[in-house]
Amino acid sequence: DVKVTQSSRYLVKRTGEKVFLECVQDMDHENMFWYRQDPGLGLRLIYFSYDVKMKEKGDIPEGYSVSREKKERFSLILESASTNQTSMYLCASSLLQTDTEAFFGQGTRLTVV
Amino acid sequence: AQSVTQLDSQVPVFEEAPVELRCNYSSSVSVYLFWYVQYPNQGLQLLLKYLSGSTLVESINGFEAEFNKSQTSFHLRKPSVHISDTAEYFCAVSAPNFGNEKLTFGTGTRLTIIP
Repeated sequence: DVKVTQSSRYLVKRTGEKVFLECVQDMDHENMFWYRQDPGLGLRLIYFSYDVKMKEKGDIPEGYSVSREKKERFSLILESASTNQTSMYLCASSLLQTDTEAFFGQGTRLTVV
Repeated sequence: AQSVTQLDSQVPVFEEAPVELRCNYSSSVSVYLFWYVQYPNQGLQLLLKYLSGSTLVESINGFEAEFNKSQTSFHLRKPSVHISDTAEYFCAVSAPNFGNEKLTFGTGTRLTIIP
């Protein structure tokens, strides 16, 4: 069974903390993505990566950075967490071809207090 | 640029009744179209997709969607819903020539089945 695993289901962090969200996929996919999901706004792309050490900004990259040191692992970093970054974060992976589906992790619900 | 519009944020339906979830898109190029489903407390999973060929596509659990190029729509339908269909449904579009990063999602429709 294909799998995208996010390290935490729930996280509570304080304003100003540095936060790491980890994602691992076991499908040897080239593409990996981080989305943010908010009610009424759907999924918005934060960053994506199509290869090791490669990254591209999505639609809402401000306040976030990413790291991809190995093909199977894609990390989202909140350099200084703020309350407006309280959200559900979804990681996904896919093959390079655009006609293939994206596989999603179960999500990390982050609360910044 | 491409965009997806899901006009209905919530759709309540009685069990065994038919349902249609609406999706309209805009794009200056040809597109691939997807419906994803998110069951409570889970990530998204692919329900069905349209790439080319027959404009009517079906899923294994009885949903179908029809690509209508003239109306730029990809509505999702099911003739008889079950309690287990309670979920949030997302329509998405990608542009074949611009890489998977251009997968754009709608805002989602929450389908609630009333017993």
